[in-house]
Amino acid sequence: EVQLVESGGGLVKPGGSLILSCEVSAFTFSDAWMSWVRQAPGKGLEWVGLIKRKSDGGTTDYAAPVKGRFTISRDDSKNKLYLQMDSLKTEDTAIYYCTTLSLGGMAVWGQGTTVTVSS
Amino acid sequence: DVVMTQSPLSLPVTVGQPASISCRSSQSLVYSDGNTYLSWFQQRPGQSPRRLIYKVSNRDSGVPDRFGGSGSGTDFTLKISRVEAEDVGLYYCMQGTHWYTFGQGTKLEI
Repeated sequence: EVQLVESGGGLVKPGGSLILSCEVSAFTFSDAWMSWVRQAPGKGLEWVGLIKRKSDGGTTDYAAPVKGRFTISRDDSKNKLYLQMDSLKTEDTAIYYCTTLSLGGMAVWGQGTTVTVSS
Repeated sequence: DVVMTQSPLSLPVTVGQPASISCRSSQSLVYSDGNTYLSWFQQRPGQSPRRLIYKVSNRDSGVPDRFGGSGSGTDFTLKISRVEAEDVGLYYCMQGTHWYTFGQGTKLEI
C-alpha cells in the first residue's frame, strides 16, 4: 500500500523558516509528480505547489500566496519530498499534506503535519 | 484564477436516502488534451482527504459504487445513491485543469 508520511511541523515565529519532509513508500517515487496541499484550522483545502518527476524536467510551480517564499524539492534516492518554508506568516498556519499527483488530481494523501506560525 | 463554487454547503441526509452535491467552475474545465480534470474528495472527521472521483466520473480504487460523478464544461455533480453512516464528513470538488483549486466544501451530516 502506498504510504506518505510527513514530518517537520511545529511552532515558528512570524518571519521564521521551517522544512517539512514527506517520506514515501511502496511505489516508485521517482516516477511520480508530487504536491503539497494545506488546510488552515477550520478551513478548506488549498493547493500549495507541485514538483514534476525528473523525466518531465523536475520543475516546480507554486500557488500565488506562497510563491517566492516556499520551495519544493525532492531526493529520489531517499524517496523524500521537501517543503522549505521561509518568511512565514501567521496565515501560513495549517496542516500540510503531501500528496501524489495523477490523473489530474491528488491521488494519495499523507496524514499531514501541523505548522503553527505565532509570536 | 478558477473559482469553484459548491452547493449546498450543508447537507442533512437520512441513511439509505440519496444525496447530491453540485460544483460549478468559473470557466470551462476542458483541457487542451480533451480531458476534464474535475475530482471529488471526501474528508471524514479527523482524517486526511481521500479522492473518490477523478476526471469527472471515474471512481478511484476501493471507492464504493454508490458514489458517482457526472457533468461537463462548468457544471458537475457528486451523487451518493444511498447514504451510509460512514459517509459523514466534508466533500470537496477540485479542478486540475488550470493549476488546482478546491471548492469551499460541503458538510454532509446525518
